[in-house]
Amino acid sequence: DAGITQSPRHKVTETGTPVTLRCHQTENHRYMYWYRQDPGHGLRLIHYSYGVKDTDKGEVSDGYSVSRSKTEDFLLTLESATSSQTSVYFCAITEGLAYEQYFGPGTRLTVT
Amino acid sequence: GQQLNQSPQSMFIQEGEDVSMNCTSSSIFNTWLWYKQDPGEGPVLLIALYKAGELTSNGRLTAQFGITRKDSFLNISASIPSDVGIYFCAGRDSGGSNYKLTFGKGTLLTVNP
Repeated sequence: DAGITQSPRHKVTETGTPVTLRCHQTENHRYMYWYRQDPGHGLRLIHYSYGVKDTDKGEVSDGYSVSRSKTEDFLLTLESATSSQTSVYFCAITEGLAYEQYFGPGTRLTVT
Repeated sequence: GQQLNQSPQSMFIQEGEDVSMNCTSSSIFNTWLWYKQDPGEGPVLLIALYKAGELTSNGRLTAQFGITRKDSFLNISASIPSDVGIYFCAGRDSGGSNYKLTFGKGTLLTVNP
């Protein structure tokens, strides 16, 4: 257990509304990640953070922004949700000598 | 970008049978990881491999880091119903960032009691 929680765990929202997902960790990990998981695509990296206020884009970052104002929280924002952003979103942290990644429980987001 | 080819995509087996799955990459990896995901949960790390030729076990699971450094294998012996789930491989490209992983698309395992 890497001490990762995600909130909310489930959310239904309408197209065009802003949505923020939260990832919280309790063990002072420097690296944090946001992935989305879709059938046929597996896990795809959206954004990641390598420290407070230090973030970078992943392979599917369009339509998403992130913020990390303190070590323990990494926020993912959809400024104007679209139906193509319906997905399961996972947060992860890096730990261990080989930078293994450990995942949170996920947030299921449905955009109607 | 980097691609990982994971096969098979799905498997239907009888309880007690052994299972094998593998991942191949187009470039050399310096780390291979195997995860399992249960329905409605996040992926859980099963085994981590750090060098070519390494063979590591975790209970009934055994994984190997291929000697070419472009593939990895996961075997499950004497399968049981709770082995049901999606198994993912992931790897770290030797020419890429230490902090990014590439994931396979998963193998869906179904075990018939």
